[in-house]
Amino acid sequence: DIVMTQSPDSLAVSLGERATINCKSSQSVLYSSNNKNYLGWYQQKPGQPPKLLFYWASIRESGVPDRFTGSGSGTDFTLTISSLQAEDVAVYYCQQFYSTPLTFGPGTKVEIK
Amino acid sequence: EVQLVESGGGLVKPGGSLRLSCTASGSTFSNAYMNWVRQAPGKGPEWVARIRNKADGGTTDYAAPVKGRFTISRDDSKNTLYLQMNSLTTEDTAVYYCATGNLFEDWGQGTLVTVSS
Repeated sequence: DIVMTQSPDSLAVSLGERATINCKSSQSVLYSSNNKNYLGWYQQKPGQPPKLLFYWASIRESGVPDRFTGSGSGTDFTLTISSLQAEDVAVYYCQQFYSTPLTFGPGTKVEIK
Repeated sequence: EVQLVESGGGLVKPGGSLRLSCTASGSTFSNAYMNWVRQAPGKGPEWVARIRNKADGGTTDYAAPVKGRFTISRDDSKNTLYLQMNSLTTEDTAVYYCATGNLFEDWGQGTLVTVSS
C-alpha cells in the first residue's frame, strides 16, 4: 500500500500570508507512460464532504481560486495558499490514485493566526 | 457536475447488516467509476470500495478492512450505487460518502452509520 504523510499536522497563518502544506508518498505516484502524477488535493470544511482542489498534482479544479497552487512530482508534493483568506480555514488532504487501495494523507488543519 | 444523495445509514448492532444507496442525477452515471469513502468521527477520509463502469468490465476493488464483508454494486438503469455491509463492527462507524471517478470529483453529503450495542 502507498502510505501518504503530510506536514505539518496544523498551521496557523495570518490573513493575507502564505500557507504551505507538504505531502509525501511512500513510493512514486508518477505514471511513466503518461508522465502524470496520480495525486489529488482536497479541502474539507466542518460538516461538509471533501472538495477536490487539484488533480494530477497541479491541475486546478474548476472554480478553485488561483491563490491555491499545487506542485511537486514523484513522491513530494506541496499545496500553497499564497494569500490566506478567512474562507480557507479547513483541513486539507492529499490522496494518491496511482494504485488501490486509494489512500489519503492524515490531513493538515489550517487556521487563522 | 453530478449530484449525489446517499441514504440507508442508521444505528445497527455489531454483527448486523446495512445497505447504503447513492442516487445520482444526470446522464453520466453509467460512464463513471463510483466509490464509497468513509470518515470516522474526527478522522480523515478512508477509501472503502470502487466499481468501474460497464465498459471497463464493472469490476470492483475493496480496502482490506472491508474485503469479504462489504459488496459494492450499481444499477445504471436507476442511476444508483449500493454498498451492502455485513458483519459490521464498531470500527465501521463513520459517515459514508459516495464519490465519482478516480479523482473523487463529486461527493454526496454522506450518510451516518453507527455500529453500537
